[in-house]
Amino acid sequence: SQELEQSPQSLIVQEGKNLTINCTSSKTLYGLYWYKQKYGEGLIFLMMLQKGGEEKSHEKITAKLDEKKQQSSLHITASQPSHAGIYLCGADPNSGGSNYKLTFGKGTLLTVNP
Amino acid sequence: KAGVTQTPRYLIKTRGQQVTLSCSPISGHRSVSWYQQTPGQGLQFLFEYFSETQRNKGNFPGRFSGRQFSNSRSEMNVSTLELGDSALYLCASSLLGYQPQHFGDGTRLSIL
Repeated sequence: SQELEQSPQSLIVQEGKNLTINCTSSKTLYGLYWYKQKYGEGLIFLMMLQKGGEEKSHEKITAKLDEKKQQSSLHITASQPSHAGIYLCGADPNSGGSNYKLTFGKGTLLTVNP
Repeated sequence: KAGVTQTPRYLIKTRGQQVTLSCSPISGHRSVSWYQQTPGQGLQFLFEYFSETQRNKGNFPGRFSGRQFSNSRSEMNVSTLELGDSALYLCASSLLGYQPQHFGDGTRLSIL
């Protein structure tokens, strides 16, 4: 079965600093999804990556999927307290790449100190 | 456009009881998936429904069941509750495959 490993498990940064979160898969990623979660709440969709080498940006967050499609990174530029939360990567374990049953990483807890 | 709505938000039950959780997907979304989130195991897939049919199922015991109605609303039922069933249960809906799932705020279930 597919496993997603996220690193680091937790991260504390000073406001204004850049940071990167990684998500590594044991199998080829046919669809990779990044979500953000506030503790005890639902997941907020950030970005979806499907093609090797694909890169997407939204505001100060950039996500990339490597050419081999086994690793994705999430980069936040000039972090703000509003970026704090748990970041989760998810992927469908089947080659079809649909998103009906996602496998998730354990998450990365991000704290941004003002 | 209203998001995914889950009710109730919080629930306290005792061992041996059963519980039903409800999920109303985003209007027009026909696929509804359920997940269990615990500190130890993280987010785990329970099952997925599409047009009132269960299409995918995770590795959970038969005590966990669900159904979907003709209006795409879904319910999840857990019978003979165990302490280990304490978790945040999340529902997600999507329009089509390859489209992102949108999650509700979850139901926090506590078993005493």
